[in-house]
Amino acid sequence: AQSVSQHNHHVILSEAASLELGCNYSYGGTVNLFWYVQYPGQHLQLLLKYFSGDPLVKGIKGFEAEFIKSKFSFNLRKPSVQWSDTAEYFCAAQTYNTDKLIFGTGTRLQVFP
Amino acid sequence: SAVISQKPSRDICQRGTSLTIQCQVDSQVTMMFWYRQQPGQSLTLIATANQGSEATYESGFVIDKFPISRPNLTFSTLTVSNMSPEDSSIYLCSALLGEETQYFGPGTRLLVL
Repeated sequence: AQSVSQHNHHVILSEAASLELGCNYSYGGTVNLFWYVQYPGQHLQLLLKYFSGDPLVKGIKGFEAEFIKSKFSFNLRKPSVQWSDTAEYFCAAQTYNTDKLIFGTGTRLQVFP
Repeated sequence: SAVISQKPSRDICQRGTSLTIQCQVDSQVTMMFWYRQQPGQSLTLIATANQGSEATYESGFVIDKFPISRPNLTFSTLTVSNMSPEDSSIYLCSALLGEETQYFGPGTRLLVL
């Protein structure tokens, strides 16, 4: 069955540190990949998405993610985090022939000033 | 992106009762979905709400427990029936917009006593 795994459950960083959150999916066919963010007390928001083309995609607030097909990965990165990046981050996959999203378990990011 | 609203935003219910959650999108959409986010866990798809036909349920979810209506292209309801404390969760609706991307409502936080 298709699944998405996020290996970092809880990440704690200081401001200005670099961030990389891992995401791996298990599906041999074509997938669309997403990162969603949930800030404290707010609803789930789309951060970025990959459908095809350039495997390095840029999203809002300075985030980017790289699709590496050979590794079945879609890691999220940000060169310098801010306190306002404190949130829960979810990776999700959508197979080509369905609109359903399969979510990873989420990574809680805490950034300290 | 569209604006998606849910009512109620939160509720506390007694076991054995039912609660209907409403989801309103400010534009017409073909696909709407209902998810559950249990405490400390990720999002799990309950069902796809199809306009004009019965909802399509995921494994582990049944219509008798989670009846869904989709009377038009902007509105859907999810009912949590015969509730037990295990149903305490956040329930989210989403809508498929534009380029195969789901956008989420703010969620309904349910506590069953």
